[in-house]
Amino acid sequence: NAGVTQTPKFQVLKTGQSMTLQCAQDMNHEYMSWYRQDPGMGLRLIHYSVGAGITDQGEVPNGYNVSRSTTEDFPLRLLSAAPSQTSVYFCASRRLAGGQETQYFGPGTRLLVL
Amino acid sequence: GESVGLHLPTLSVQEGDNSIINCAYSNSASDYFIWYKQESGKGPQFIIDIRSNMDKRQGQRVTVLLNKTVKHLSLQIAATQPGDSAVYFCAENIENTGNQFYFGTGTSLTVIP
Repeated sequence: NAGVTQTPKFQVLKTGQSMTLQCAQDMNHEYMSWYRQDPGMGLRLIHYSVGAGITDQGEVPNGYNVSRSTTEDFPLRLLSAAPSQTSVYFCASRRLAGGQETQYFGPGTRLLVL
Repeated sequence: GESVGLHLPTLSVQEGDNSIINCAYSNSASDYFIWYKQESGKGPQFIIDIRSNMDKRQGQRVTVLLNKTVKHLSLQIAATQPGDSAVYFCAENIENTGNQFYFGTGTSLTVIP
C-alpha cells in the first residue's frame, strides 16, 4: 500500500490564484480530512469527509472547498489564494469505527502565497 | 476548539536516558488519545494510542499513561535514541463529536549524543 499520498510537495502562488491540492489513499478508508499546520500551533482541521459524496467543515474552513467523488480521492481547492493561507497542508485518512481509529497522514504540501 | 496543550515546548535529553512528554486536555468527554511523532519535513506518524477505559499502554520502547482525574496524558520513551529527535503531538477524540481529532501544539524533543 502507498498509504496517503499528496501532490504537489511544494507550491508557490500569487495572491488571487487558484489551485487544487491532491490527496489519495489506497486503504479503503471511509474518513478523510485536511489539516493545516502553522508555526507554534497544532494541526487545525479544515474539512473532512466520512464517505464519498459527504463533506463537512472543520475548525478553519473559510477560503477552502472540498469534494469527495470517490473513496480514494479528497482534493482541497483554494479558489482565491491569500497570504494567510501560507502553511503546510496535511491530508489524513482512517477507518470509521466510533472514532477510535488512528489517522494516517500524508507527507504534506508546503504552500507559499505571495 | 478543544484545549489540548503540552507542558513543555522543548525537551533535551541525553542519548540512553528516558524521555517523558506531557499533554493536558480539558474535556472530560475525551475518550481516545493518540501520540504522533513528526520529523522535520514529514507528516505526523502514529506512535501509540490509548482509550479512556485504560490507564496505561505499552509499545516498543514507548509507554502512554492516562490520568483521567487530572486530564493528563504522558508519553514515555525508554532509552532515547538520536532517531527519536522530533516533534511529538498528542491528539484527542471527544466522544460523540463526529470524528474530529484535536491536536496539541507539540513538544520538540532533541536527543544529545
